[in-house]
Amino acid sequence: QLQLHQSGPGLVKPSETLSLTCNVSGGSMTSTNFYWGWIRQSPGKGLEWIGNVLFNGDTSYNPSLKNRVTMSVDTSKNHFSLRLSSVTAADTAVYFCARHVGLHDTSGYHLYFDYWGQGVLVTVSS
Amino acid sequence: QSDLTQPASVSGSPGQSITISCTGSISDVGSYKYVCWYQQYPGKAPKLVIYDVTERPSGISDRFSGSKSGNTASLTISRLQAEDEADYFCSSWTTSSTWVFGGGTKVTVL
Repeated sequence: QLQLHQSGPGLVKPSETLSLTCNVSGGSMTSTNFYWGWIRQSPGKGLEWIGNVLFNGDTSYNPSLKNRVTMSVDTSKNHFSLRLSSVTAADTAVYFCARHVGLHDTSGYHLYFDYWGQGVLVTVSS
Repeated sequence: QSDLTQPASVSGSPGQSITISCTGSISDVGSYKYVCWYQQYPGKAPKLVIYDVTERPSGISDRFSGSKSGNTASLTISRLQAEDEADYFCSSWTTSSTWVFGGGTKVTVL
């Protein structure tokens, strides 16, 4: 059973960089069928896709965050990471990591997030 | 404000059916079959209940079903149970190769 577990500070000062890591266990990260994604949820609000990273380092980001986001992957350690720079109070949210499936089988192509991390509340405050 | 529009709340009695709508545009819901629905309990991570508009992942009850017409997708929960009380979010792949989500719908079992 695949499991994703997130780690990182719960408090970040304004203008600094938010850094989170997601450890993957129970499965391999090195498949072209799976991207590794980050999604956030502001308190009491909906979900926002931040971006995805493939095992080879290929990335795709939400255009609204693209200038501040960096995602990376370390398959030797079975983890992937998120960095969000120049944070403000608007970046306060629960951050989730998740496996993004992009799979082609006999019934066609499929896209969805299946396994999720537990979520980490990151508060931006001085 | 979310990219996909969902009703803030829907309620129903045990045994009834409820439907949650998710309205997007030709740039997302209207263009692809890649519409998903997630169930989320308070303080927990979202759980996939529908993908590809109509498909259920293994282990998801057949009381959950999905459909789409034009730019609007829908999730129907049949034979409503107390355990279905949760928040539900829709999401769609877009023509910009990004994901967008709805604002979420709180389902209350009366």
